[in-house]
Amino acid sequence: QKEVEQNSGPLSVPEGAIASLNCTYSDRGSQSFFWYRQYSGKSPELIMSIYSNGDKEDGRFTAQLNKASQYVSLLIRDSQPSDSATYLCAVTDTGGFKTIFGAGTRLFVKA
Amino acid sequence: NAGVMQNPRHLVRRRGQEARLRCSPMKGHSHVYWYRQLPEEGLKFMVYLQKENIIDESGMPKERFSAEFPKEGPSILRIQQVVRGDSAAYFCASSPGDRGDEQYFGPGTRLTVT
Repeated sequence: QKEVEQNSGPLSVPEGAIASLNCTYSDRGSQSFFWYRQYSGKSPELIMSIYSNGDKEDGRFTAQLNKASQYVSLLIRDSQPSDSATYLCAVTDTGGFKTIFGAGTRLFVKA
Repeated sequence: NAGVMQNPRHLVRRRGQEARLRCSPMKGHSHVYWYRQLPEEGLKFMVYLQKENIIDESGMPKERFSAEFPKEGPSILRIQQVVRGDSAAYFCASSPGDRGDEQYFGPGTRLTVT
């Protein structure tokens, strides 16, 4: 069974701090990796996609991928209370057709 | 450019009835995915479709559940003879291509079985 693991949290950080969210996956053949944000009662919203080893930055968000370690992370700089949500890590399987989601990490940013 | 549309947003069915959930992908997208999310749980992949084709249905329960994406019209997720355990949020996502393209989600249909 291919899996995507995340720490369920909650992760609590003060406003302005860096929030670090981590994810590991089991399928060595995975090629596509995504981070989604989901507010309570809402649908997932795409934040970042990453396909190559290394870092990818978009505004306050940086995604990091290490395929050798099967590890993906998301850094949120200058965290804001509005960033409080559940963050879902998603990984496409070797075939590329099926996307597997982690259970999510709940983030709280304290004002 | 309209996003992914789903309807109804809320659906209440009694045990044994049928539920039909509809999804219209974003303009220009021809790939549709269905997911189920139980309260306080993660998203579970159900099925991946292209126009007139089911590509991967490995996440679909073997009985009572079916999905289609006809040449014309929205994708339909059909649940026959619903049971209380089917109560969940059902999300549809679409992408412009396959094999790892970014997926964009609709607002979801919240199904309640009484």
